[in-house]
Amino acid sequence: AQSVAQPEDQVNVAEGNPLTVKCTYSVSGNPYLFWYVQYPNRGLQFLLKYITGDNLVKGSYGFEAEFNKSQTSFHLKKPSALVSDSALYFCAVRLLSGNTPLVFGKGTRLSVIA
Amino acid sequence: DVKVTQSSRYLVKRTGEKVFLECVQDMDHENMFWYRQDPGLGLRLIYFSYDVKMKEKGDIPEGYSVSREKKERFSLILESASTNQTSMYLCASRAGQGVYEQYFGPGTRLTVT
Repeated sequence: AQSVAQPEDQVNVAEGNPLTVKCTYSVSGNPYLFWYVQYPNRGLQFLLKYITGDNLVKGSYGFEAEFNKSQTSFHLKKPSALVSDSALYFCAVRLLSGNTPLVFGKGTRLSVIA
Repeated sequence: DVKVTQSSRYLVKRTGEKVFLECVQDMDHENMFWYRQDPGLGLRLIYFSYDVKMKEKGDIPEGYSVSREKKERFSLILESASTNQTSMYLCASRAGQGVYEQYFGPGTRLTVT
C-alpha cells in the first residue's frame, strides 16, 4: 500500500529566507510524486510532479522539489519565500503502473512572516 | 484550462437527511474522485470512478455512495447524513492512466446539524 508522511504540521519562515517542506513516501514500486497547494477557502492547485529522470523538478511559483530514492523523500523547496506563499501544502504519491488514485499526506501549513 | 465545478460551496443539512453533492468536469476525463478533508487528517479518498457506471471504494466509503451516469458528472450521496460527516468535500478529475495530475474543484463545506 502507498503512504505519504509530512512530518511537520507547521513550518514558519521569514520572508526572503529559503523554505523546505518535507515529505517521505512508501510504495511497493516506482512512484509518481506530486505537490499541491491549497489557499484559504480554495481547492487544491497542482504545483509540480516527479515521474522519472532528473531528481530536481521545477514547478509553479518558483517552487522546486528534490526526489531522493535512497531516502524515499520528495521535499519541496523555494530559494526565497514570499508572504503570499503562506498556504497549506500537500504531498501525494501514486504508483507508476496501473490506474490508481493519489494518496495524500496530512498537509503542512506554511507561514511566511514579513 | 480544466474546470471542475461543485454544485455548492457551503451546505447545511440536518441529521438523517439524504444529501447529494454534485461534481462536473469539462475536459472529458475518464477518472473522477471524491475526497473529504479534515484538519489534521489531510485528504482521505471516499470513492473513485474509472469510467461511466464504474465505481471503486476508497479508504472511507462507509456512509457514502456514488453515481456516475455520464462521463462528466460524478455525484456523492450521503444516504442519511450524520454529524460526523461534517467536513470539506473535494472532487477531482484526471485524464487516463498516464502521468497526469488530478484537478480539483473548489470544495463543498458541508455542515450536518
